[in-house]
Amino acid sequence: KNEVEQSPQNLTAQEGEFITINCSYSVGISALHWLQQHPGGGIVSLFMLSSGKKKHGRLIATINIQEKHSSLHITASHPRDSAVYICAVFYGGATNKLIFGTGTLLAVQP
Amino acid sequence: EAQVTQNPRYLITVTGKKLTVTCSQNMNHEYMSWYRQDPGLGLRQIYYSMNVEVTDKGDVPEGYKVSRKEKRNFPLILESPSPNQTSLYFCASSYNSGAYEQYFGPGTRLTVT
Repeated sequence: KNEVEQSPQNLTAQEGEFITINCSYSVGISALHWLQQHPGGGIVSLFMLSSGKKKHGRLIATINIQEKHSSLHITASHPRDSAVYICAVFYGGATNKLIFGTGTLLAVQP
Repeated sequence: EAQVTQNPRYLITVTGKKLTVTCSQNMNHEYMSWYRQDPGLGLRQIYYSMNVEVTDKGDVPEGYKVSRKEKRNFPLILESPSPNQTSLYFCASSYNSGAYEQYFGPGTRLTVT
């Protein structure tokens, strides 16, 4: 079982829909990252969270430390949002490793 | 422009032929790491480095070596590549650790025949 679980694995939406992607992890963390990977491979960082909520344009990321859960929301989705969204957690302390979820493949249809 | 560069971007090689994939960043970052990405398995960390001459194993270090002699460079070395190392490789850097924004290189697609 992966330490970082994402859901859904695949998601198809119509343009304009509100989208939610979920990420759950098993133990306490220092930070959580949301990443975006478009077809062709490049990975970009969307958010880094340790608590609360962050917003950038149409993207919102939240984290609930007690429930060990984070969500990525996309409002007014657009075909250019089609990509793989990846959650990654950083435990910190003696472990300086990043652990990744397997990603959510999002397709937004016009 | 702040960036992480990797070379080569594509490489086809044969089993056993030593190769090096270079990674360089221009942001004076302390933390650098290597990942491989495989279908169904996602990204997995191979090695990371907290600073010059400080490296440590990630989750899948077998068959790989790294070095960090300069702050900007973090090459990945495959001493004797095998077909199971066929994968998409990413280098990344951040200011200090995994608790900071990660900057990824463009990726290197390696095929070992």
